[in-house]
Amino acid sequence: EAGVVQSPRYKIIEKKQPVAFWCNPISGHNTLYWYRQNLGQGPELLIRYENEEAVDDSQLPKDRFSAERLKGVDSTLKIQPAELGDSAVYLCASSLDRRTDTQYFGPGTRLTVL
Amino acid sequence: DAKTTQPPSMDCAEGRAANLPCNHSTISGNEYVYWYRQIHSQGPQYIIHGLKNNETNEMASLIITEDRKSSTLILPHATLRDTAVYYCIVRASWGDDKIIFGKGTRLHILP
Repeated sequence: EAGVVQSPRYKIIEKKQPVAFWCNPISGHNTLYWYRQNLGQGPELLIRYENEEAVDDSQLPKDRFSAERLKGVDSTLKIQPAELGDSAVYLCASSLDRRTDTQYFGPGTRLTVL
Repeated sequence: DAKTTQPPSMDCAEGRAANLPCNHSTISGNEYVYWYRQIHSQGPQYIIHGLKNNETNEMASLIITEDRKSSTLILPHATLRDTAVYYCIVRASWGDDKIIFGKGTRLHILP
């Protein structure tokens, strides 16, 4: 069974440019998560989706970050405009539903903002 | 904030058992102990979880003290591929409780 797929794996942009990350969760997984991981830290939740609905976006910086999960499958996380402090690894995870024990993580996208 | 405390790093000789401690003195009765690990350049990977009883699976064993204020993850025969950051997390299995990662323990397996 295929795992969580993310693209691109690496992205280098200049500040003030837009950037987008794509995630394809495990087939049949209703819950999708986006995390941000700064160097030397554990992942921090940005947003959680139950199917198409964003049920927890309290940690998403809404002035520059946006996310969508159309049709309740793939998801896109966007930053516009990017700032130097946005350099991090952006991880996507999915689970069968929010009550399920296990979240399965993708390999992440490493963003460098110059 | 993370509800757990872990040592920042540990070393273990290859082939020996790696014992990773975790303190969670404020754990509630409905909260489970979860362990994930993150190998370099990969996303976190689920290892094991438990509530009160000790648990074992193909990857590891989890020993939870009787008062549930601490636990130990045991990798019985560590290999170089077990070099990773190990995260101990407490969360409720039901409801909207999030997984909150701390900084974890960086485990170095020495050849």
